[in-house]
Amino acid sequence: DAGITQSPRYKITETGRQVTLMCHQTWSHSYMFWYRQDLGHGLRLIYYSAAADITDKGEVPDGYVVSRSKTENFPLTLESATRSQTSVYFCASSESRDRSTGELFFGEGSRLTVL
Amino acid sequence: AQSVSQHNHHVILSEAASLELGCNYSYGGTVNLFWYVQYPGQHLQLLLKYFSGDPLVKGIKGFEAEFIKSKFSFNLRKPSVQWSDTAEYFCAVSGGFKTIFGAGTRLFVKA
Repeated sequence: DAGITQSPRYKITETGRQVTLMCHQTWSHSYMFWYRQDLGHGLRLIYYSAAADITDKGEVPDGYVVSRSKTENFPLTLESATRSQTSVYFCASSESRDRSTGELFFGEGSRLTVL
Repeated sequence: AQSVSQHNHHVILSEAASLELGCNYSYGGTVNLFWYVQYPGQHLQLLLKYFSGDPLVKGIKGFEAEFIKSKFSFNLRKPSVQWSDTAEYFCAVSGGFKTIFGAGTRLFVKA
């Protein structure tokens, strides 16, 4: 039972570079989410996806791009990284709308530092 | 606007002390309520959840929470904390598939 795997777990990059964080789930959950965790802010939703090829913005989408060509993958791309994007990023999934109670299953997180 | 407010950002307790972490939410319509826990260096895990029925719900490791609809609250409690409860605790609200989190409460339990 692999669950959700994120990669890389740790990444250091420079301002202006493009970075992609990968997320893969094995449960065939319909919904997938990207959150960022920052001290004092808890978790804030960046983007979410209800199914393959369906994505939508969350609370803090600026500077991020997502795609979902396959149900199991939900990569997050920072097109031009900024220092304010230094954070811990969590990918999560949940079941379909009809069955979903909102319970989330989280990956291990990706710690990104932008210098 | 939808929001979740956790009253305490940092809590320090001695082992065997009782714990209560406050959580209030603002959300229109029917909600599902959650407490997640994040142990140092780990990802978030579900502690307990409320969907309907008995407003007093029990979770793992002796934690419980009470949903008070009239107060829009979902406070987390534990009668006697242990050193291993040191972690960050997040209250969360979901109106369906989208979940909103509070800012978190960092609990440190002194041995």
